[in-house]
Formats: sequence, structure tokens, C-alpha cells
Amino acid sequence: RKEVEQDPGPFNVPEGATVAFNCTYSNSASQSFFWYRQDCRKEPKLLMSVYSSGNEDGRFTAQLNRASQYISLLIRDSKLSDSATYLCAVKTGTYKYIFGTGTRLKVLA
Amino acid sequence: DGGITQSPKYLFRKEGQNVTLSCEQNLNHDAMYWYRQDPGQGLRLIYYSQIVNDFQKGDIAEGYSVSREKKESFPLTVTSAQKNPTAFYLCASSSRSYNSPLHFGNGTRLTVT
Repeated sequence: RKEVEQDPGPFNVPEGATVAFNCTYSNSASQSFFWYRQDCRKEPKLLMSVYSSGNEDGRFTAQLNRASQYISLLIRDSKLSDSATYLCAVKTGTYKYIFGTGTRLKVLA
Repeated sequence: DGGITQSPKYLFRKEGQNVTLSCEQNLNHDAMYWYRQDPGQGLRLIYYSQIVNDFQKGDIAEGYSVSREKKESFPLTVTSAQKNPTAFYLCASSSRSYNSPLHFGNGTRLTVT
């Protein structure tokens, strides 16, 4: 079993739709969690950290479920510009970050 | 603006040649990392360094070497021993804080023929 798993997609959604991605992790001692956005042939860029109580940044909401060992990302009112690959990252030690393989999102006009 | 600079953006080499990828950061981060990304495989850790003059192997260190002579710099050498060097290489850094995310440079795309 991979340490961090994501559904690769693609998720094809119409503009304005709400879409959610999950990311499961296997190490219960994992400390910190992050969502990154990666555009084609570009570097990953931090979208948001994921806090225990859940957090929101505009149209984006991140949740952490420690009991079931997954994090989620919800995107409301999808825009064409949201089309990208979304990577989750799990920090399991002071210097150990493990990434999922990413979920591709295509927002259709 | 603080950030991580990788150079060059694109690099082409013949098989059998060593090549060095540059990574410089001005974020005053202690830790620096090198990842490799191949299509459909996500990010895989090559090497990381917690402090100057110290570094540790990651999951796929074979065929690579690094140095950390300055806090700001963490160059990666892809040697001729690396069997499949063509990939997208990403340098990253982080602070020591508990919930510090990784910050990435803009990557170097290496093609070896």
C-alpha cells in the first residue's frame, strides 16, 4: 500500500460545479498536511495547509479526518483556471514529506 | 522577493556525461531537498540536507550526488551511473517549524540522449 494515495482522475466538471478530492495516508503519526496545485510542466505551488479543525481560503476548503486518515479538498464554484493537478503532501517527520501522485481536474466551459 | 531559483530551466546532455543542476534559496531555510518527478509517478525524494555540510539519501539516491557548502545552495549532480536520468527535477526548501510546508523552485527539465 502506498503511504499517500490519491485518485488520479481526471475529474471533468462544468464551470460553477463543486468538486471534492480525497487523499488517504497510512502513517497515523503524520503531523502536517498540505495541498499543492501543479500546472502542466510547472512546479507544485502551495495551495493551502490543512489544519485539524478544517480551514477555508475563498472557494477552497480543506478538511482533516485523523480517525479515518484522510484529508480532503473542496472547490466551490469551479473556474476554468482551476484546471490543474492537485497534489496532497503529508509530513511524517521533521524533514520527511510524502506526496501523492496527484488528481487531475479539468473544468469545462 | 524570497524564493528558490533553479537553473537552467532546460538541460540537454549526452549519455555518459555528468551534469550539475543549480539550486539557490534566499528564504533563510535550513532544510533543502531534491525531488524527481516522472509522469504518473509523483515526486520522489533524491537527497535532502538539514544543515550545512550535512545531507542524507532519499528514496532514489543512486546515481546522484549533492553538496551543501552554503546554507543558500544545494547543487545536484546527475552522474553517468544514473540509468534513467531524463526527468523533471525539483529543488525545495523548508524551515524547521512543525507545520512548515515545502517551497519549490521552478524546476529543471533534464533530457539525456
